Amino acid sequence: DIQMTQSPSSLSASVGDRVTITCRASQGISNYLAWYQQKAGKVPKLLIYGASTLQSGVPSRFSGSGSGTDFTLTISSLQPEDVATYYCQKYNSAPFTFGPGTKVDIQ
Amino acid sequence: EVQVVESGGGLVKPGGSLRLSCAASGFTFSSNSMNWVRQAPGKGLEWVSSISSSGKYIYYADSVKGRFTISRDSAKSSMYLQMNSLRAEDTAVYYCARGFVVAPGKYYFDYWGQGTLVTVSS
Repeated sequence: DIQMTQSPSSLSASVGDRVTITCRASQGISNYLAWYQQKAGKVPKLLIYGASTLQSGVPSRFSGSGSGTDFTLTISSLQPEDVATYYCQKYNSAPFTFGPGTKVDIQ
Repeated sequence: EVQVVESGGGLVKPGGSLRLSCAASGFTFSSNSMNWVRQAPGKGLEWVSSISSSGKYIYYADSVKGRFTISRDSAKSSMYLQMNSLRAEDTAVYYCARGFVVAPGKYYFDYWGQGTLVTVSS
């Protein structure tokens, strides 16, 4: 099975900073990659699908890129409401594995 | 408005069984895959099982294969997860999620329920 990894596991940044999270698949998955945001005690929310397509209603400061095995989620200007854990997920085929998550805090 | 609502969680002893339900509304149920994702306390998201829009294709994580059974009832716009031989490590919040079908066997999860807690303990 394809394994998903994320880096870093956590990060702390200032409001207004540019933040980048990396997701790597152990084998190529084309662009079948989604990103989810989960705030503490809340339900996961779809941010991006197809590696780079923003889900409706998601702020434009979020963006995604990549194809094959390497992907990135970027927050162009970190806001206090972006404090959350971010997960990538492959959906090219089952198992639809999630990455271990990246926790983002405000410093 | 798209909604998926889970029910059926609770406390069960190791080796016991539980059946989760997911009631869907606000969309054409037969057009979407349906999925279960769980999250153990303080841990990350773990995909559990998926069923295709037709119900013909079913997938399980290795951790639950042979113990859990997913099913769907289009007449009731509902999905189910029958969980048998439960273990302490199955303790988690179980989320129901709608799958947006990009292509056969390829779907991302665009709407999630609030989750239902399953606790396996003696």
